[in-house]
Amino acid sequence: SYELRQSPSVSVSPGQTATISCSGDVLSRRSASWFQQKTGQAPVLVIYKETERPSGIPERFSGSISGTTVTLTISGVQADDEADYYCQSTDNSGASFIFGGGTKLTVL
Amino acid sequence: QVQLVQSGAEMKKPGASVKISCKASGYSLTNYYMHWVRQAPGQGPEWMGIINLGDNIASYAEKFRGRVTMSGDTSTNTAFMELRSLKTEDTAVYYCTRDGPIKFDRWGQGTLVTVSS
Repeated sequence: SYELRQSPSVSVSPGQTATISCSGDVLSRRSASWFQQKTGQAPVLVIYKETERPSGIPERFSGSISGTTVTLTISGVQADDEADYYCQSTDNSGASFIFGGGTKLTVL
Repeated sequence: QVQLVQSGAEMKKPGASVKISCKASGYSLTNYYMHWVRQAPGQGPEWMGIINLGDNIASYAEKFRGRVTMSGDTSTNTAFMELRSLKTEDTAVYYCTRDGPIKFDRWGQGTLVTVSS
């Protein structure tokens, strides 16, 4: 089976940089996205195709990839960025979609 | 603007079925595929399947095959997801989410399904 692994939690102070990583063998072959989910709300796409930012997402959200790890970086973290963040990709065939277990970002 | 509006919360008994609707506005359903994703309490999202609403051909996650049916009504621009033989473990928020050049770019607000005897 295909698995995406994320650290359960990350804590940063306002204004600092948060880095959230997601690892999985499939990431060297398949595209990845990142979602932000605030409590009681639907997920919101913040990064797609590893590095692309949808319109309306602030520039301080950026993505990168190295080997089998994708990383979401939030520069100048704000209190409003406190949320769960999920990575997403597909299986090798691209026919089945998988999500990571999520990382809770706490803004101290 | 593009919006996906889902039907309201449901409470079901084990063994029952639930059918959730997802009405699209601001675009035509037939121009995009639609995913269904669920999220159990305290868990991450779980992909259930995808449907091409142009020809109503769907592909389901192995876990749900035989128990789920995705469909659409182009006359009302509405997608549907039916889950049968409900178990308590199916208690979750169910989302529809659009698939296009940018996958998962729009999501419905979610529908809470509670399965309890």
